Amino acid sequence: DAKTTQPPSMDCAEGRAANLPCNHSTISGNEYVYWYRQIHSQGPQYIIHGLKNNETNEMASLIITEDRKSSTLILPHATLRDTAVYYCIVRVDMDSNYQLIWGAGTKLIIKP
Amino acid sequence: GAVVSQHPSRVICKSGTSVKIECRSLDFQATTMFWYRQFPKQSLMLMATSNEGSKATYEQGVEKDKFLINHASLTLSTLTVTSAHPEDSSFYICSAKSWSNYGYTFGSGTRLTVV
Repeated sequence: DAKTTQPPSMDCAEGRAANLPCNHSTISGNEYVYWYRQIHSQGPQYIIHGLKNNETNEMASLIITEDRKSSTLILPHATLRDTAVYYCIVRVDMDSNYQLIWGAGTKLIIKP
Repeated sequence: GAVVSQHPSRVICKSGTSVKIECRSLDFQATTMFWYRQFPKQSLMLMATSNEGSKATYEQGVEKDKFLINHASLTLSTLTVTSAHPEDSSFYICSAKSWSNYGYTFGSGTRLTVV
């Protein structure tokens, strides 16, 4: 069962910041939040991950609330190539194998 | 960075035949590989987890005799869809656990069409 909920779709204007929300209210203390994106008919691409602290890399920023029940992925300056389905994922420990539990994803459309 | 090569990218096969999909880690050793299936407009569904040198662990509802997984080396895992039927048509994606900071690298996927 998915441990995350996301809006099914969002629009964002090119050049603006895209803020993608995710709820993970049942997340456990040692479970990481991952974000991947998938462009149509391609393999998922890693974006960022975090546990408690906010994280930033060359692609995006991840803001995690203090209670860890939700997070927001921020693409600071969205371009048309950022149009994709964005998945918020919780990594769980399953018998010493970590598994990624995928949500339904948000289809982000960047408009010129 | 870590690269996973998945082949073929597309395959069309006749109903009743078997199809093998390969997943190779090119620049790292993948001790664990994951196989996913994705139907149109849906999220990825984990099918099985394979550890090098041991039997794969299948998710509930996935037939292990139909989806044969072999992970005989640290750089290669294969998924064989046996006696394929049209309902097996899907997008199959592999993922390998790597040395990199984020740990999960995905292949480019295989579009299987059974006719």
